[in-house]
Amino acid sequence: QKEVEQNSGPLSVPEGAIASLNCTYSDRGSQSFFWYRQYSGKSPELIMSIYSNGDKEDGRFTAQLNKASQYVSLLIRDSQPSDSATYLCAGQANAGGTSYGKLTFGQGTILTVHP
Amino acid sequence: DAGVIQSPRHEVTEMGQEVTLRCKPISGHNSLFWYRQTMMRGLELLIYFNNNVPIDDSGMPEDRFSAKMPNASFSTLKIQPSEPRDSAVYFCASSFGQGPYEQYFGPGTRLTVT
Repeated sequence: QKEVEQNSGPLSVPEGAIASLNCTYSDRGSQSFFWYRQYSGKSPELIMSIYSNGDKEDGRFTAQLNKASQYVSLLIRDSQPSDSATYLCAGQANAGGTSYGKLTFGQGTILTVHP
Repeated sequence: DAGVIQSPRHEVTEMGQEVTLRCKPISGHNSLFWYRQTMMRGLELLIYFNNNVPIDDSGMPEDRFSAKMPNASFSTLKIQPSEPRDSAVYFCASSFGQGPYEQYFGPGTRLTVT
């Protein structure tokens, strides 16, 4: 079992709809989670981070974390064609020890927003 | 502020040649990560450093790969000898090692070994 798993996609939504991206993780010690957006041919770009249970909103993006269910999600409201990209979920284990901030990435979900 | 800087951006080399990739982390960051990305395997962590010290190199594919970080502002990833299966995009990322561990990626080096 992979440590971080994402819904395989690809996910296609119409412009203006809500895109929902999901991620589960197996390491209960994971404390912090990150969503990266990667356009084709570009590097991953950090768009959201979340550290505690609940919702975190930033503009059209909302990250949700449920540690009991080991579940992380990213909602994109009013999706735009410019949101079309691969979205990577990453988890970070407990601080301290020897982890020094090592992230474990999921395989990514390809999102296409069509006009 | 300057982000993570990588060079070269593209590298085409023949099998058997030595390849050196370079990275300059964001100033003030003390953790540096080297990743490799392919369609088949996704984003893989090769090695990471904290305060210039290698912490975990378990992702390095084999002895042909080596990485160094001689100071806080420079790191290299070397492949010698290179093979066609090394063709991939290599990313360098950096973070502030005391938390919250947000990693910022460089633009990557696209390596093609023929």
